[in-house]
Amino acid sequence: EDQVTQSPEALRLQEGESSSLNCSYTVSGLRGLFWYRQDPGKGPEFLFTLYSAGEEKEKERLKATLTKKESFLHITAPKPEDSATYLCAVQYDMRFGAGTRLTVKP
Amino acid sequence: GAVVSQHPSRVICKSGTSVKIECRSLDFQATTMFWYRQFPKKSLMLMATSNEGSKATYEQGVEKDKFLINHASLTLSTLTVTSAHPEDSSFYICSARGKDRWDEQFFGPGTRLTVL
Repeated sequence: EDQVTQSPEALRLQEGESSSLNCSYTVSGLRGLFWYRQDPGKGPEFLFTLYSAGEEKEKERLKATLTKKESFLHITAPKPEDSATYLCAVQYDMRFGAGTRLTVKP
Repeated sequence: GAVVSQHPSRVICKSGTSVKIECRSLDFQATTMFWYRQFPKKSLMLMATSNEGSKATYEQGVEKDKFLINHASLTLSTLTVTSAHPEDSSFYICSARGKDRWDEQFFGPGTRLTVL
């Protein structure tokens, strides 16, 4: 059965303090790994799709990378508006990990 | 990206009543729609997957008679919570996928259901 595990569960950063979020997965033949951002009381907002090990994608202060076992979401010099829950999911049916709640303090 | 809407955004109902939540794809044809449930500070739990014109496929542990899903057109899916009880209170989110891109899934803004 496909499994997705995200860590840490919660992360508090100071503005400008770079860090990484982890998404480890166990699937039989990865078709795609997805990163979403979710603000409280709202639906998830699409960030990235990664398809194969070695792939990287960037958007503003975010960079997603993928290996054969895990994906990282790197946040460079975060700002308070980056505070949100970051979710990853795999495969066709978009089964989500538990998410990482990121708080960036000014 | 494409837009998915949900209606209502919030609903409060009495225990024992039924509530219908609509999910619409506004600018694309959604051949597959998904329904999720989310508890406070928890991740999204997939409830069911529906393909247009077919019966929904429910995840293990989800009562199909309690959570009725209809996907009658390429732009509309509905979730009806029948005989709602306080434990059904939750945040319900739908998502939609078009015919040609399995890797593009767009989420609605969610519906907050409170059952008194």
